[in-house]
Parts: sequence; structure tokens; C-alpha cells
Amino acid sequence: EPEVTQTPSHQVTQMGQEVILRCVPISNHLYFYWYRQILGQKVEFLVSFYNNEISEKSEIFDDQFSVERPDGSNFTLKIRSTKLEDSAMYFCASRGEVSSYEQYFGPGTRLTVT
Amino acid sequence: GQNIDQPTEMTATEGAIVQINCTYQTSGFNGLFWYQQHAGEAPTFLSYNVLDGLEEKGRFSSFLSRSKGYSYLLLKELQMKDSASYLCAVRHSGGYQKVTFGTGTKLQVIP
Repeated sequence: EPEVTQTPSHQVTQMGQEVILRCVPISNHLYFYWYRQILGQKVEFLVSFYNNEISEKSEIFDDQFSVERPDGSNFTLKIRSTKLEDSAMYFCASRGEVSSYEQYFGPGTRLTVT
Repeated sequence: GQNIDQPTEMTATEGAIVQINCTYQTSGFNGLFWYQQHAGEAPTFLSYNVLDGLEEKGRFSSFLSRSKGYSYLLLKELQMKDSASYLCAVRHSGGYQKVTFGTGTKLQVIP
């Protein structure tokens, strides 16, 4: 069964450093999403991406965040200058065609900012 | 704005039935998901309701009333492995389908 994959599973970085979180969505999917979940809190929408551009973003997704689909298979989330409060689990999700509704989640990357 | 409410925690006995409620107030409603999330893992899809009524899928059923802004997830014949958080999530209208999650209900199944 096809699945969304994410690397790395755990990333530790120092405050102020840049990190890139990587996702490989399911191959024929068209819509891509990033969510984050701070430990013990709810899953929060960050951004949706379609047709090589951001389609919607939340207030969390400020100028320090960016997304990219560099090569037709990977989907990346970059945090330019990490802060302690960016420590969270980051989930990538993908969805198929327009008429589909289910978003398939990857296993997540746990980001720890020290 | 969006507001999704569900109980924080529930406890139920193995073999029993439990109902987890969710109420929501949101603009542009286009359906409601239930996800299961075990600690440290990704959410996994359980059900999706867009029309009023009950959807049954094995031991799990989900109900939606759009006019009341209310949904519930019903779990039957509880097993220990059902101990997890259950997330109610609203799908917004529009092609990109932003999903807003509730805080989740942590269910503990006891012997």
C-alpha cells in the first residue's frame, strides 16, 4: 500500500539554525500539506500546496517558513531561523484528486530546538 | 472563526461501547473527519461524514448532524489497542480543503 514517508524521523538543531524537513508524498497525489503538533497539543494546519504553489497558509506559517517541491517527488518544509517554540512533531500529508477527501499522513519528524 | 470541542479524556472498559462527542462552530463546513492517534504516531483516518446520519465501518461508527454542529464517534467491543487519542477534524469548503483539528479525546481502555 502506498504511503507518505518523512525524513528524518528526529532532528535536533540549535536555535537560529535552518532546518529542512523532507516528505515524499504518495506518487499520484496532487495536494500536499504540512501540519505541526506541539507535544500534548492539537494538530495545527500550517500550509497547503497545489500546482507548485501555496494555496492556503495559517497564521503560524510566517516568513521564517517556506515550502518547496523541488523535483516532482519530494515536498520540503524549511524553517529559516529556528526558535525554541518550533519544537514539535511535523506531519506531512497528501491527498489525491479534487474529489477525494482523505489526507494520508506521514509518520512525522520530531524537531527539537535547543 | 472555528471552534471544535470534544472531551479531554474518557475511560471505558474492554468489551464495552463508548461514544466520543464533538461539537463544532465553523464557517465553510464541508465535512467532518475522525482520526485515531496513538502517542508519538501520526493520525490515521477512521471516518468521514459530509451528510447527516450514521456511517458504520466495522466496530467504529460516526454520526453527523450539520444543523446541530454535532458529531460522535462510537466504538464497540472495545479492545485494549483502542487506547489512543481520537481527533475530531473539520474539513473546510474550497478546493484545497484545509482541515482544522480539535484537541482530541484521550481514551483509556481498562481491563
